[in-house]
Amino acid sequence: NAGVTQTPKFQVLKTGQSMTLQCAQDMNHEYMSWYRQDPGMGLRLIHYSVGAGITDQGEVPNGYNVSRSTTEDFPLRLLSAAPSQTSVYFCATRRTASSNQPQHFGDGTRLSIL
Amino acid sequence: GENVEQHPSTLSVQEGDSAVIKCTYSDSASNYFPWYKQELGKRPQLIIDIRSNVGEKKDQRIAVTLNKTAKHFSLHITETQPEDSAVYFCAASISGTASKLTFGTGTRLQVTL
Repeated sequence: NAGVTQTPKFQVLKTGQSMTLQCAQDMNHEYMSWYRQDPGMGLRLIHYSVGAGITDQGEVPNGYNVSRSTTEDFPLRLLSAAPSQTSVYFCATRRTASSNQPQHFGDGTRLSIL
Repeated sequence: GENVEQHPSTLSVQEGDSAVIKCTYSDSASNYFPWYKQELGKRPQLIIDIRSNVGEKKDQRIAVTLNKTAKHFSLHITETQPEDSAVYFCAASISGTASKLTFGTGTRLQVTL
């Protein structure tokens, strides 16, 4: 049981490049989400999904796309990378869409945009 | 939307002393308040959570208190140890479909020998 798996762990991009951050879970959790973590700003929600085929925007969605074709996977796409997207990205899941349950985080992807 | 403020941003205590981190929230409908610990370079991990139907919860050296009237909640760590050194995040959410956690900005706790 791997929990929440994020790939890659590190990535360096040039401005304007695109890429996909992968998140996979093997816990059959309904809810999956992406956060970015920047110094002094905590964890900010980018996008989330309450089940396969359903996604919605969080607090800071601009510049990012998501899709949820399966329960297990929730990739985050950067369409045209910008230096402001340099951050650590965390995927988090919980068992159901409703709250009052622990969220489980992946190990993170450290992304640098030059 | 919900806004969570967390204080202090840094906290240094001597080993064996207690540490207290405080958070306030804006939405009176919030009813779930977890605390996460993040060690350097690691993922955030849940250490304790509290729901609005209780005022206090304890787990060994860690306790959380909730004051719904004042809209604030606190993390208390007693008998601190060097391994307690980490960044701690509070969060708040409203239960319901697709409820979203809003995090505080974090407190860096340093436990010195």
